[in-house]
Amino acid sequence: EVQLVGSGGGLVQPGGSLRLSCATSGFTLSIYWMSWVRQIPGKGLEWVANIKQDGSEKDYVDSVRGRFTISRDNSKNSLYLQMDSVRVEDTAVYYCVRGSSVAANFDIWGQGTMVTVSS
Amino acid sequence: QAVLTQEPSLTVSPGGTVTLTCGSSTGAVTTGHYSYWFQQKPGQAPTTLIYDTSNRHSWTPARFSGSLLGGKAALTLSGAQPEDEAEYYCLIYDSGVRVFGGGTKLTVL
Repeated sequence: EVQLVGSGGGLVQPGGSLRLSCATSGFTLSIYWMSWVRQIPGKGLEWVANIKQDGSEKDYVDSVRGRFTISRDNSKNSLYLQMDSVRVEDTAVYYCVRGSSVAANFDIWGQGTMVTVSS
Repeated sequence: QAVLTQEPSLTVSPGGTVTLTCGSSTGAVTTGHYSYWFQQKPGQAPTTLIYDTSNRHSWTPARFSGSLLGGKAALTLSGAQPEDEAEYYCLIYDSGVRVFGGGTKLTVL
């Protein structure tokens, strides 16, 4: 069974840092593009970042570029999102999403992890 | 960047048919936008129903179908079931940017 389990969320002060993790199982992570998508509670979805299978290509939404870093460790079956200089507007549920082998699309969603940025 | 417009809410009777649409502020949605449809139930993560305009995943019930209608991406539900009550989001790729719609709350009543 394919599983993606997000963790690492919590309460962080504006300007602080947080590292989200996504533990995957049931498939070979190194074959797939991966993404992070966030959702403000009660609101819509927003794509945040994606990463190629070997980490050689990364892309970010403009609002997080330069502050967030997506990475992966295929040997540990894990995806990460390093969040630095966080802002109140980064408050959201963050989902890791498996893509396909050819594109950073959105096939299978993990359980989300909640990030709250507040003083 | 495109802004996608979805119906805020729709109601369908059990067994009935309903079409949800997704329009773009930048013009007609085409197959080149590789539109997606996602279903999200309260307290759960989204699931992907349709990709590349009209393709179902193995887990997508056959009663869901994707298409293009009148320059918009469309999701048609034929034979609605109570368990289809959920929020539905569309997504398109617009000039390389991934854009989500605001969602349609579908009530089965």
